[in-house]
Amino acid sequence: GAGVSQSPSNKVTEKGKDVELRCDPISGHTALYWYRQSLGQGLEFLIYFQGNSAPDKSGLPSDRFSAERTGGSVSTLTIQRTQQEDSAVYLCASSLGDSRTEAFFGQGTRLTVV
Amino acid sequence: KNQVEQSPQSLIILEGKNCTLQCNYTVSPFSNLRWYKQDTGRGPVSLTIMTFSENTKSNGRYTATLDADTKQSSLHITASQLSDSASYICVVSAQTGANNLFFGTGTRLTVIP
Repeated sequence: GAGVSQSPSNKVTEKGKDVELRCDPISGHTALYWYRQSLGQGLEFLIYFQGNSAPDKSGLPSDRFSAERTGGSVSTLTIQRTQQEDSAVYLCASSLGDSRTEAFFGQGTRLTVV
Repeated sequence: KNQVEQSPQSLIILEGKNCTLQCNYTVSPFSNLRWYKQDTGRGPVSLTIMTFSENTKSNGRYTATLDADTKQSSLHITASQLSDSASYICVVSAQTGANNLFFGTGTRLTVIP
């Protein structure tokens, strides 16, 4: 596709359930980022993938959060045993990995835990 | 520590008025600085990019400035329109490091008629 695609766009889940969020980056982009944006708040870094290097997981808030990037392309963010405080918009971005290039964002997945 | 701070956190202005948003950073070694606009329910979209040697860059009614010595940037919006209502995020790239993007928390701008 032409841009970063995220799915689903909206997800409502019950507390305690597991959820998977998907990100399709722009083809050829080696860098991929996940961010969380709570209502009225700024972007909170979660995890960063760059090529075949070990991901930077320093932003994951708890061990209930994990992410994978298969084949250097599609990424899934998994939240286990969801809690109400996990409700937020989850944004994915990709770039060519060079500091001079732009990071392109998807439209986000709005997660609501009820 | 690499950080990006933005001010104000939120701003309300009348349609047609000008405003200026601020971004201070401590990212080093500096590569570039981008201002992103994020409309409600959408992902952020890049407005401008500035490198070390650039002082000013315009994109329509948006003008960004950069002072690399004081590590400050501003985004000036002229003759604001209702459609300017959005969050504006300052993002600074470092030249090195695996994770080299550093985000400010954004300024929420509301333009009222």
